[in-house]
Amino acid sequence: DVKVTQSSRYLVKRTGEKVFLECVQDMDHENMFWYRQDPGLGLRLIYFSYDVKMKEKGDIPEGYSVSREKKERFSLILESASTNQTSMYLCASSPPHLMGAEAFFGQGTRLTVV
Amino acid sequence: LAKTTQPISMDSYEGQEVNITCSHNNIATNDYITWYQQFPSQGPRFIIQGYKTKVTNEVASLFIPADRKSSTLSLPRVSLSDTAVYYCLVGDRGYSTLTFGKGTMLLVSP
Repeated sequence: DVKVTQSSRYLVKRTGEKVFLECVQDMDHENMFWYRQDPGLGLRLIYFSYDVKMKEKGDIPEGYSVSREKKERFSLILESASTNQTSMYLCASSPPHLMGAEAFFGQGTRLTVV
Repeated sequence: LAKTTQPISMDSYEGQEVNITCSHNNIATNDYITWYQQFPSQGPRFIIQGYKTKVTNEVASLFIPADRKSSTLSLPRVSLSDTAVYYCLVGDRGYSTLTFGKGTMLLVSP
């Protein structure tokens, strides 16, 4: 069974902390994505990566960075967490060409910044 | 990526057929139409994808008229467990990201 695994389901962090959200996929997919989902705003793309060490900004990259040192792992980093980064974070992976293929999502990490 | 328009919400009862229509007036020749389903507190899940006419799988059917300016996701005989948000996405094979709209919240009642 294909799987995208996010390291935590729930996380509570303090304002100003450095936060790491980890995502691992076992499908040898080239593409990996980080989204955040907020009520009324839907899913918004933060960053994506189409290869090891490659990254591209999505729609809302401010306040975030990413790391992809290995093909199977894509990390989202909040350099200095703020309360407006409280959200559900979703990781996904896919083959290179999305149309004609499907993306697989993890279960999500609900991050609360206090 | 072609912009899509879907109803914000729909209500149905168990056992009924549900049709959710998505408008994509500026769809390009090479664009495919894909639908995802998201349950509360879970990530979206791929349901079905098509280019033209009709596609059917074990979960749903996708109807695409000849002009491809809209598409309809059909869920036969829904159950309570089909309560979810359904997203319509349009893009071509070369596109490497997924852009989600706000989706359609389907509520199935007993």
